[in-house]
Amino acid sequence: DAGITQSPRHKVTETGTPVTLRCHQTENHRYMYWYRQDPGHGLRLIHYSYGVKDTDKGEVSDGYSVSRSKTEDFLLTLESATSSQTSVYFCAISELLAAQGGANVLTFGAGSRLTVL
Amino acid sequence: GDSVTQMEGPVTLSEEAFLTINCTYTATGYPSLFWYVQYPGEGLQLLLKATKADDKGSNKGFEATYRKETTSFHLEKGSVQVSDSAVYFCALKRGSQGNLIFGKGTKLSVKP
Repeated sequence: DAGITQSPRHKVTETGTPVTLRCHQTENHRYMYWYRQDPGHGLRLIHYSYGVKDTDKGEVSDGYSVSRSKTEDFLLTLESATSSQTSVYFCAISELLAAQGGANVLTFGAGSRLTVL
Repeated sequence: GDSVTQMEGPVTLSEEAFLTINCTYTATGYPSLFWYVQYPGEGLQLLLKATKADDKGSNKGFEATYRKETTSFHLEKGSVQVSDSAVYFCALKRGSQGNLIFGKGTKLSVKP
């Protein structure tokens, strides 16, 4: 069990306000990811991190920033939320699973549903 | 760039019917291929994977074979159950720590 906790699980906010979503993991995995899920688009990568203070952009990074000051926490910030950022956000970690033949696979958190009015 | 295309849903089947969800991919090199499942209100769970050509991934009665010649990774199950109702995502990953590129998902509904 990767021990991934996302918070908050649900949030409603207004356009123009800042929002921070938190992803917390308990097993010191190096790689962490933020995806958004939207109908008709599947999941799209926003940002990812390959270590403390090491982050990079994904496919849909505009309007988002991330920070990773500790191995266990990966924060996603919307500096000024817009209605187009209404979505379900998933955090993931890359872990080695013996049950999967020792391959690295992505394991996902339960998601954070964000509504921007 | 890399991409995954999976059949449009929703797919509605009767219990015990045979399931196929088509997935094809475009990628350079030799990606790993995955199927994830998302039950209502939950996050994604890994269903099965294959890391090289001709590998067959299997789990919970589901199977998929990595076909490099047709760049496909179709998901099959011989007899679906109501509890299989979910959204299924095909995905690919290049490299051991690469991120996943997902298809748009296929919603499956199984009726008793």
